[in-house]
Amino acid sequence: DTAVSQTPKYLVTQMGNDKSIKCEQNLGHDTMYWYKQDSKKFLKIMFSYNNKELIINETVPNRFSPKSPDKAHLNLHINSLELGDSAVYFCASSQDVARTKNTEAFFGQGTRLTVV
Amino acid sequence: SQELEQSPQSLIVQEGKNLTINCTSSKTLYGLYWYKQKYGEGLIFLMMLQKGGEEKSHEKITAKLDEKKQQSSLHITASQPSHAGIYLCGALHNNAGNMLTFGGGTRLMVKP
Repeated sequence: DTAVSQTPKYLVTQMGNDKSIKCEQNLGHDTMYWYKQDSKKFLKIMFSYNNKELIINETVPNRFSPKSPDKAHLNLHINSLELGDSAVYFCASSQDVARTKNTEAFFGQGTRLTVV
Repeated sequence: SQELEQSPQSLIVQEGKNLTINCTSSKTLYGLYWYKQKYGEGLIFLMMLQKGGEEKSHEKITAKLDEKKQQSSLHITASQPSHAGIYLCGALHNNAGNMLTFGGGTRLMVKP
C-alpha cells in the first residue's frame, strides 16, 4: 500500500500549457504539502495545506495553485508553464502537530516535470 | 546563504568505511529530519530528532542532534553500496507545523 502517491511520475509538456499533478494520501493525515526540487537538488516548500489554512511560500509564482477536493488529496495546478518550472515536485503529508507528537512527514515518489 | 547547510556536498567512500554527514542550521531547531533519496526516486524517511543530545539509530545509520550548536550529524558505519544515494536533512524552524526547510543534500557513493 502506497502511503503518498503522485501521478504522473513523469510529465513532459510544452511552454504555455496548463497541467496538474495529483497527490493522494491514505494515511488519514490532516496536512499535505508540495515541495519543488530543482536541478541542484534543493528541496523547497511551496505550499502547506490542511482543512484550516493554506500557507503559501511567498516565492511561489501565482501560476501555481494547490487544489484540495478532500482531505486525502492535494493536487498541484500550474498555469502557463515556463521552462524554469522544470523540476521534480514532491507531495508530502503529515498529521497536524497540534494533535499528535508524531511529526513525521511522508513523501510521495515525486513527479519529474519537463517543460520544452 | 542557505538556512540549512549540509557538508560535504558529495562523498565517495570505499565499501566498509565509516562516514559522517553534517547538517547545520542558522536558525533555532524545533526538529531535524534525515531522509535518503535514491537517485531519481522519492524520499525515504530515516529518522527524526527533536531533543538536544538525542541519538537514534536505523540499522547501521546513527544520527545525533546537538541543539546548542544547531547541528546534526549522520554517521554510517561499515558503509555498503546500498547506502549510496542523496542524504537530505530537513529542519523544522518553528513548532507550528511540518514545513521543512531542506539542506542541499549530500551525494554519497560507495565503491565496492
